[in-house]
Amino acid sequence: AQSVAQPEDQVNVAEGNPLTVKCTYSVSGNPYLFWYVQYPNRGLQFLLKYITGDNLVKGSYGFEAEFNKSQTSFHLKKPSALVSDSALYFCAVRDAAGGYNKLIFGAGTRLAVHP
Amino acid sequence: DAGVTQSPTHLIKTRGQHVTLRCSPISGHKSVSWYQQVLGQGPQFIFQYYEKEERGRGNFPDRFSARQFPNYSSELNVNALLLGDSALYLCASSLAGTSMDTGELFFGEGSRLTVL
Repeated sequence: AQSVAQPEDQVNVAEGNPLTVKCTYSVSGNPYLFWYVQYPNRGLQFLLKYITGDNLVKGSYGFEAEFNKSQTSFHLKKPSALVSDSALYFCAVRDAAGGYNKLIFGAGTRLAVHP
Repeated sequence: DAGVTQSPTHLIKTRGQHVTLRCSPISGHKSVSWYQQVLGQGPQFIFQYYEKEERGRGNFPDRFSARQFPNYSSELNVNALLLGDSALYLCASSLAGTSMDTGELFFGEGSRLTVL
């Protein structure tokens, strides 16, 4: 079964510093991986996805993610954090068993960016 | 262009009641999925519908049901509500939702259900 793990419940970073939010995956076949962000009392917003190709994926709001097949990881990164980046971040993997798509989400990582 | 819209945004019910949540997908999207997000957890898959047919169902009891209409909008129904049904219910749309798609979903703002 497809799964993702987010090993950190919370990540704290100072504004202006680089940030990393970690995700590891376990899949059969080629992974389709996603990052979503959730602001308080809001739905999920798509940030970026990895399907195939370049291991460094660029997404919305200056975020990028690095796909590492040997380490089965898909960490989310940003060179310079903003206070407004504080939110809940979810890693997800596509599960296409049964001929339809569903996303399997991690438990989420809360990012807190301090001024 | 309008995104995925859900209604109501918030509602409070008591145990044993039933609830209907509604969702309109992005124009041109034919697939609608429902997810349940309990506080402190990631979203869990409930249903996927495409062209009015149920394509897939997650590990949820029969108290949960859904349907999709000819205009591709959808309803999620939950009967005999339990305290544990309190959650944010998210609707997501995609073009087709088949294994030929990349799997990217576009989510609405959610309906927050509180069961007392």
